[in-house]
Amino acid sequence: DAGVIQSPRHEVTEMGQEVTLRCKPISGHNSLFWYRQTMMRGLELLIYFNNNVPIDDSGMPEDRFSAKMPNASFSTLKIQPSEPRDSAVYFCASSARTANYGYTFGSGTRLTVV
Amino acid sequence: SQQGEEDPQALSIQEGENATMNCSYKTSINNLQWYRQNSGRGLVHLILIRSNEREKHSGRLRVTLDTSKKSSSLLITASRAADTASYFCATPDQTGANNLFFGTGTRLTVIP
Repeated sequence: DAGVIQSPRHEVTEMGQEVTLRCKPISGHNSLFWYRQTMMRGLELLIYFNNNVPIDDSGMPEDRFSAKMPNASFSTLKIQPSEPRDSAVYFCASSARTANYGYTFGSGTRLTVV
Repeated sequence: SQQGEEDPQALSIQEGENATMNCSYKTSINNLQWYRQNSGRGLVHLILIRSNEREKHSGRLRVTLDTSKKSSSLLITASRAADTASYFCATPDQTGANNLFFGTGTRLTVIP
């Protein structure tokens, strides 16, 4: 298995532009998580899905952020419009069962909004 | 917040020495997990210790858990330069939600 695959690895965009981050979880994993990592705030859970259904999006910072999981093998995190304070590394992770069994993380997308 | 805290924030040792990192958490847990993050990479799951376990080993890793003190430690023996990374503890959300809360991390530097 290739693991959790995220794209792009790096994204530089201008303020106000729409940004879409993509994630392919490990086949057979039924939970998917989006995290954001910054020096100031560490790892923050943004949203997670169980069986493609959003369960908890309380970590999504604003309405500018949205996430979808149209099927078991694909998820997107969209920021529209983007702002410089959104600059961070965004990680996707998947899990086979529950949080009691550990996560597999992707390599992340480093987003820079200028 | 259920977020754990690691201590120290940063640790620098010579290759061959042992490295000990500590984690404190706030709520009751049924397990605690440790992850490693190499620079520019995602987190990698290292080891999980359940609340009814006091110690667990995996290769050069030794994890202890003291539920009465709400603390855990990760010991890396005979460290290598390749162990240079950030190490995070994580605890499951005890409200029934299926997510993990990650600590703030310890940045370990192993000097060759």
